[in-house]
Amino acid sequence: AQSVTQLDSQVPVFEEAPVELRCNYSSSVSVYLFWYVQYPNQGLQLLLKYLSGSTLVKGINGFEAEFNKSQTSFHLRKPSVHISDTAEYFCAVRPTGSARQLTFGSGTQLTVLP
Amino acid sequence: DAGVTQSPTHLIKTRGQQVTLRCSPKSGHDTVSWYQQALGQGPQFIFQYYEEEERQRGNFPDRFSGHQFPNYSSELNVNALLLGDSALYLCASSGTGTVNTGELFFGEGSRLTVL
Repeated sequence: AQSVTQLDSQVPVFEEAPVELRCNYSSSVSVYLFWYVQYPNQGLQLLLKYLSGSTLVKGINGFEAEFNKSQTSFHLRKPSVHISDTAEYFCAVRPTGSARQLTFGSGTQLTVLP
Repeated sequence: DAGVTQSPTHLIKTRGQQVTLRCSPKSGHDTVSWYQQALGQGPQFIFQYYEEEERQRGNFPDRFSGHQFPNYSSELNVNALLLGDSALYLCASSGTGTVNTGELFFGEGSRLTVL
């Protein structure tokens, strides 16, 4: 079984400041890792994913994340945030085998302040 | 290329009633998964359908059932609705073989309110 912990439920940050959203996971098998964003009253949109290869992954809207296997972490970063980045962010994992079930964290609400 | 589409977008039911939610996967995808997202929480896996059969199931009671049709579209049925079933229900699709990019594509969701 897998579990995902997002350490911060809410992160307020001023516009143009950097931000890091933390994600730790637990799994007895190898996993793929994902970050999804959810804007109010909408579904989930994929920001980025780690399947294999380079541990630094770049995604849409200037976001990036680094996979750290020894620390079982997959933190999301952006060097300069915009008001439009205000949303709920979810970290998720799924086994690398045939199962495609995602296990999500509880989410981090990012609020960008003017 | 249409993405994942879900209907209805919003609906209100009363306790004890039954509800059916519908999902059409992204073009080229053959696997559909359903998730329940309660207010303020992350999505929880309900079940997954592939080749018209339920392949995996999360920790949900038998009141939750589903179906997949030959065109890969899917339905989620919930019987004997409880107040706690109020949530956003998300459908996600994925592909196999060369269509498999490892990720799930989500629809906008169906928001169910049980009164």
